[in-house]
Amino acid sequence: DAKTTQPPSMDCAEGRAANLPCNHSTISGNEYVYWYRQIHSQGPQYIIHGLKNNETNEMASLIITEDRKSSTLILPHATLRDTAVYYCIVRSRGADSWGKLQFGAGTQVVVTP
Amino acid sequence: DAMVIQNPRYQVTQFGKPVTLSCSQTLNHNVMYWYQQKSSQAPKLLFHYYDKDFNNEADTPDNFQSRRPNTSFCFLDIRSPGLGDAAMYLCATSRDPGGEQYFGPGTRLTVT
Repeated sequence: DAKTTQPPSMDCAEGRAANLPCNHSTISGNEYVYWYRQIHSQGPQYIIHGLKNNETNEMASLIITEDRKSSTLILPHATLRDTAVYYCIVRSRGADSWGKLQFGAGTQVVVTP
Repeated sequence: DAMVIQNPRYQVTQFGKPVTLSCSQTLNHNVMYWYQQKSSQAPKLLFHYYDKDFNNEADTPDNFQSRRPNTSFCFLDIRSPGLGDAAMYLCATSRDPGGEQYFGPGTRLTVT
């Protein structure tokens, strides 16, 4: 069963921020929220992950609601190269724990000039 | 640059003819994974190695096998490819089982 729900597609104008929503209402306390993306004909690429605090790195920001039932990935200044399928995944994480990376359908993001 | 390398990028095989796909990594990661991605679908985990320990997903067909002769290399063997095995095969690595996974570019397999 899918643990996350994402819109199937969204468009974004180049240079604008892209806000990608994800619902994960059944997330448990030890599960993290991960985001990956897959550009056409390439392997998936890790973007960011978080547990309950907001996170930011050079690629994106991750905003997790206080109840942890949803999150938003923010690409601050979308470029044409950000066109990809974006996957939101919840999984447990630890040096000795095995949390399977289960990909759902994802969101196809198209950045237009 | 440290990376995950898959060869070949494109592989054509005949129905029923065994084929081997290879993956190598320079990241010195402990875990290596094989995923299958069919057209317009999300990647699906087939199996993974944690060091030398092999872990098979319950629904991975017996037709798929894997070998990891050392830390750097991992192979995917398809013993008798069927038309339904045509897909992109993705190799990934992570430092530990719960860590971020780094993917290779994939090998696109065509079965004729």
